[in-house]
Amino acid sequence: AQSVTQLDSHVSVSEGTPVLLRCNYSSSYSPSLFWYVQHPNKGLQLLLKYTSAATLVKGINGFEAEFKKSETSFHLTKPSAHMSDAAEYFCVVRLNSGGYQKVTFGTGTKLQVIP
Amino acid sequence: GAGVSQSPRYKVAKRGQDVALRCDPISGHVSLFWYQQALGQGPEFLTYFQNEAQLDKSGLPSDRFFAERPEGSVSTLKIQRTQQEDSAVYLCASTESGTYNEQFFGPGTRLTVL
Repeated sequence: AQSVTQLDSHVSVSEGTPVLLRCNYSSSYSPSLFWYVQHPNKGLQLLLKYTSAATLVKGINGFEAEFKKSETSFHLTKPSAHMSDAAEYFCVVRLNSGGYQKVTFGTGTKLQVIP
Repeated sequence: GAGVSQSPRYKVAKRGQDVALRCDPISGHVSLFWYQQALGQGPEFLTYFQNEAQLDKSGLPSDRFFAERPEGSVSTLKIQRTQQEDSAVYLCASTESGTYNEQFFGPGTRLTVL
């Protein structure tokens, strides 16, 4: 069984300040982890993915995430928020078990960026 | 290159009608997923195909929901006797095989059941 918890449904930051979007997961096996962004009326876009090669993962638009196995966390960060970052962000756990793929989305975090 | 396309983009159905939603994945992508995204929620897994084989349909909410991918490319999600609670955006995603490969999402079909 696997699950994803996004700890904040809404996060509000001022433009130019750091962003932290929190994600905790549980999985019976070593999962792969993803962050997706969804802008209003747009499709889901991949920000970054954890593939076990490195625990600190860099993505697009200055975002990065650190995989911490001991804390079962995969928090998304950005040093300086931009107005265009306002969107909904989803943490995703994906597990390949015996050729079957299980994909679980978190409930999402809406990021508001205040000018 | 072409991404994942879905049609129709919007569908309004009267309660009790049957609907069919189409997904055209990226050419050559082995895996295809369907998700249901209710308003203000994250996508919920419905079903998953590897080529033409439906490997997991555990997320389909009832036996009114049926999905197929007969030739391993285009997929259709059919909902029979639609109910108001079926109103949602239905997302399709395709990927090359392998757990680490990115899922490419289509724009979704917004279904409204009146």
